[in-house]
Amino acid sequence: DAGVIQSPRHEVTEMGQEVTLRCKPISGHDYLFWYRQTMMRGLELLIYFNNNVPIDDSGMPEDRFSAKMPNASFSTLKIQPSEPRDSAVYFCASSLTADYEQYFGPGTRLTVT
Amino acid sequence: GESVGLHLPTLSVQEGDNSIINCAYSNSASDYFIWYKQESGKGPQFIIDIRSNMDKRQGQRVTVLLNKTVKHLSLQIAATQPGDSAVYFCASTDSWGKLQFGAGTQVVVTP
Repeated sequence: DAGVIQSPRHEVTEMGQEVTLRCKPISGHDYLFWYRQTMMRGLELLIYFNNNVPIDDSGMPEDRFSAKMPNASFSTLKIQPSEPRDSAVYFCASSLTADYEQYFGPGTRLTVT
Repeated sequence: GESVGLHLPTLSVQEGDNSIINCAYSNSASDYFIWYKQESGKGPQFIIDIRSNMDKRQGQRVTVLLNKTVKHLSLQIAATQPGDSAVYFCASTDSWGKLQFGAGTQVVVTP
């Protein structure tokens, strides 16, 4: 397996634009997690899915953020409209169960100017 | 005002020495613990894990120790190498079984 795949690896956009981050989890993993990492706040869990269903989105900062998982092999995290304070590295991770090893993707470095 | 980032604790280790990285957790009901290594520009990478029914587990050059009495977790790296320079995160399960990550420790290996 190629591991967790994220795209794009880097994204630079202007304030107010819509940003869509993509993730392909490891095949067979039932759990998918979206994290945000910044120098200010470290690694934060935004939302996670079990069998394509959102289970806990309490970490999503505000309504500008939304995440979907239309099928077992694809998930998106969307920010609309984007703001400079959204600049961070966004990681997707997948695992067999919630309390098991999570495999992280390489991350998407987002810069909002 | 001036923004302040996370000030990660830093462990400076001489190449060849053993490293010990410590982590405290708060939830006495946590039953799964894991250590990750994150190199610059990469995602966190699994190192080793341990369940609460154990107090020690060994891997290749790494050992994790769990002390449930004082809610303390440690990672020992034997014969530290330059490639071990990274940020190390511990994580433990919360009351709902989700992993909660610590702030991390920066390990710097000096020649």
